[in-house]
Amino acid sequence: DQQVKQNSPSLSVQEGRISILNCDYTNSMFDYFLWYKKYPAEGPTFLISISSIKDKNEDGRFTVFLNKSAKHLSLHIVPSQPGDSAVYFCAVGSGAGSYQLTFGKGTKLSVIP
Amino acid sequence: KAGVTQTPRYLIKTRGQQVTLSCSPISGHRSVSWYQQTPGQGLQFLFEYFSETQRNKGNFPGRFSGRQFSNSRSEMNVSTLELGDSALYLCASRSGSTDTQYFGPGTRLTVL
Repeated sequence: DQQVKQNSPSLSVQEGRISILNCDYTNSMFDYFLWYKKYPAEGPTFLISISSIKDKNEDGRFTVFLNKSAKHLSLHIVPSQPGDSAVYFCAVGSGAGSYQLTFGKGTKLSVIP
Repeated sequence: KAGVTQTPRYLIKTRGQQVTLSCSPISGHRSVSWYQQTPGQGLQFLFEYFSETQRNKGNFPGRFSGRQFSNSRSEMNVSTLELGDSALYLCASRSGSTDTQYFGPGTRLTVL
């Protein structure tokens, strides 16, 4: 069973608009949450993270929101740019003794000029 | 600061062979984790090493093993390769003080 779900395999957004990528998780023991961006044949690039004690973290055009009661995580990109086109993975982890990340299957974002 | 490096970048092997992949973490990072990425299963955790000790292992058969050296460099070994082992193998490093893992470019392994 998938502990982390990204239900939208793909998303298309017009340049300049907001991109919203969603992620749901099942285990309430997860206490830190990250978003990575990935291009083909490259490793994931860290974008932004949030710990379970916060509900929002912002870094430039990227904002991550965490709703612990709903076990839901989202990434907002404003404004979206063509260079943002990539696959985005959410990853969750528990710091209790080991830093194993569990990843969603990814959402392919296409930003249309 | 240099990022995580992995060698080789590409590898072709045949079934039954064994392979060793190498990872050099970001300078000062003591934790190294390995992940396998396949189209069907996505990114899956293999194991994590910290200060030369394996701290956690994912749900993979014993053919997958690893080690970490005193300089934090890590190697991953897969014995008796199967076709299903074809994947992108990713290494990630983390400093001891944060939760964020930084990934290398990966090694693309093809098993024929």
